[in-house]
Amino acid sequence: AQSVTQLGSHVSVSEGALVLLRCNYSSSVPPYLFWYVQYPNQGLQLLLKYTSAATLVKGINGFEAEFKKSETSFHLTKPSAHMRDAAEYFCAVNTDTGRRALTFGSGTRLQVQP
Amino acid sequence: DAGVIQSPRHEVTEMGQEVTLRCKPISGHDYLFWYRQTMMRGLELLIYFNNNVPIDDSGMPEDRFSAKMPNASFSTLKIQPSEPRDSAVYFCASRPGGSGNTIYFGEGSWLTVV
Repeated sequence: AQSVTQLGSHVSVSEGALVLLRCNYSSSVPPYLFWYVQYPNQGLQLLLKYTSAATLVKGINGFEAEFKKSETSFHLTKPSAHMRDAAEYFCAVNTDTGRRALTFGSGTRLQVQP
Repeated sequence: DAGVIQSPRHEVTEMGQEVTLRCKPISGHDYLFWYRQTMMRGLELLIYFNNNVPIDDSGMPEDRFSAKMPNASFSTLKIQPSEPRDSAVYFCASRPGGSGNTIYFGEGSWLTVV
């Protein structure tokens, strides 16, 4: 079975500050890891994904994440927050065995203060 | 390319009524997923199909919920009879076969049962 834990249900940063959203996973087999973003009243949009190639993954809107197997982490970062980054962010895990659906974390709501 | 298309986008219904949510996946995708999103439980997988066959329905809450996929381009999620606790956003999603492929989400069906 696989699972994802997102630390911090709410994160608040100032515009221009570093964004760091934390995600730790649990999986008995090599995982595929995803970050999705959900803007108010919208569906989920893929930000980036890790599929066992490069451990540092770059996504849309200036976001990136680093897969660290030793720490079982896949934290999402952005050097400089923008007001439009305010949204809910979900980390998710999938594997090639067992259930082929994404298992999501509980989400982190990012607030960006002017 | 058209994404995952869901209908209706919003529905308000009275307790006890039948609700049918519809989904058209992205053409060529082998997998179709139904998720439910609530404040209390986050994003939960209800059921998923592979090549129109239900693979895992362990997330379906109870017998009031049923899902079908009569062909590769259409799926329904039905709730009969509906209850206020079914109020949620229901997402349909699809992805191609193969390893680590992205799951694409529809905009969601926002259900309110009064």
